[in-house]
Amino acid sequence: IAGITQAPTSQILAAGRRMTLRCTQDMRHNAMYWYRQDLGLGLRLIHYSNTAGTTGKGEVPDGYSVSRANTDDFPLTLASAVPSQTSVYFCASSDTPSPHEQFFGPGTRLTVL
Amino acid sequence: GQSLEQPSEVTAVEGAIVQINCTYQTSGFYGLSWYQQHDGGAPTFLSYNALDGLEETGRFSSFLSRSDSYGYLLLQELQMKDSASYFCAYNTDKLIFGTGTRLQVFP
Repeated sequence: IAGITQAPTSQILAAGRRMTLRCTQDMRHNAMYWYRQDLGLGLRLIHYSNTAGTTGKGEVPDGYSVSRANTDDFPLTLASAVPSQTSVYFCASSDTPSPHEQFFGPGTRLTVL
Repeated sequence: GQSLEQPSEVTAVEGAIVQINCTYQTSGFYGLSWYQQHDGGAPTFLSYNALDGLEETGRFSSFLSRSDSYGYLLLQELQMKDSASYFCAYNTDKLIFGTGTRLQVFP
């Protein structure tokens, strides 16, 4: 593994289903983030974690949950997917809780029907 | 409130210089970052300004004026590979991104 990996690369999901997007980093960064990117809206922060064992809400947290059991993994869960959650999801990490330089994963393209 | 404004699209020709402006409004501010994103790709970090002035990294430079709540990204000697979207983002205790500027470089 080099950097940040995300899985799956893409997914089509029926509304109402539960889905977990996976994110793993091997850079030993303390902070990790989940963003969604929609056309014309840029990147919006969903949840973040400044260190293992802690999480916080971003700009658009509703309908999503996260956990940070260890330094490397930061999964994002959609408990009951809705079509408005169709988006491209990016996981990112940074070396410190001051997040000006973030390293992004390749993204997961999620379609909720 | 918190907001960032940047132009939605900019076009230029190879070899030219282009400036992408970014204005922001926020109650807490540590600095301004710039990211590049090619179509279908992930955002990648370009530069960061915590203090007023110009930061230069090769063909790219970034400027910040805290008193004017304004910054810009300057791209020199444009190449076709510079065609991408460019995002400014201000740093509070998290990064808040603008909606991006799509740069198209023509031969």
